[in-house]
Amino acid sequence: GAGVSQSPRYKVAKRGQDVALRCDPISGHVSLFWYQQALGQGPEFLTYFQNEAQLDKSGLPSDRFFAERPEGSVSTLKIQRTQQEDSAVYLCASSLELGREQYFGPGTRLTVT
Amino acid sequence: AQSVTQLGSHVSVSEGALVLLRCNYSSSVPPYLFWYVQYPNQGLQLLLKYTSAATLVKGINGFEAEFKKSETSFHLTKPSAHMSDAAEYFCAVSDRGAQKLVFGQGTRLTINP
Repeated sequence: GAGVSQSPRYKVAKRGQDVALRCDPISGHVSLFWYQQALGQGPEFLTYFQNEAQLDKSGLPSDRFFAERPEGSVSTLKIQRTQQEDSAVYLCASSLELGREQYFGPGTRLTVT
Repeated sequence: AQSVTQLGSHVSVSEGALVLLRCNYSSSVPPYLFWYVQYPNQGLQLLLKYTSAATLVKGINGFEAEFKKSETSFHLTKPSAHMSDAAEYFCAVSDRGAQKLVFGQGTRLTINP
């Protein structure tokens, strides 16, 4: 079946704009994760959901970042008032259930100018 | 807190030579350990994982890794490198309750013809 998909693949935003990044997990996957990958770095955890419940948001860098998964499927990561330091690739991953392997999407590359 | 250290941000080997990518971890609880590969402009693909069964883990594309608790290491090897192995490799750790992955900085593998 289809893998994890993310849209848009590339996003350029002017400093101060709001952006919304979408993640479509693999159908039936209960757990969904967001990671941020700065240039030349490993991914860093942002937040994760079990169905529609956001169980851990300890990695969100500021209150400008928030994520939602209202129906337990598609998730949106929203960044308000973007700053240059928000430039990164945002990766989404899903897993069938907790403890199972995570499948990653291709990522959204965000560039803030 | 968990952490991962990948020794060598860039490794270069000749085609047909042994590949050895080093990973050391820190965890206060028995960890799950993973190796992921990332090709340009793509998401991460799982190569292999250790979840407390056999300490020698075999993965896809001829890769394997050995969990050594006494050395807190989980090095990735492949007996004979192929040009298609050129990519970025990430080691990651998670504890069995948190599920989120903590990644190393990555190692870029270059294969010389």
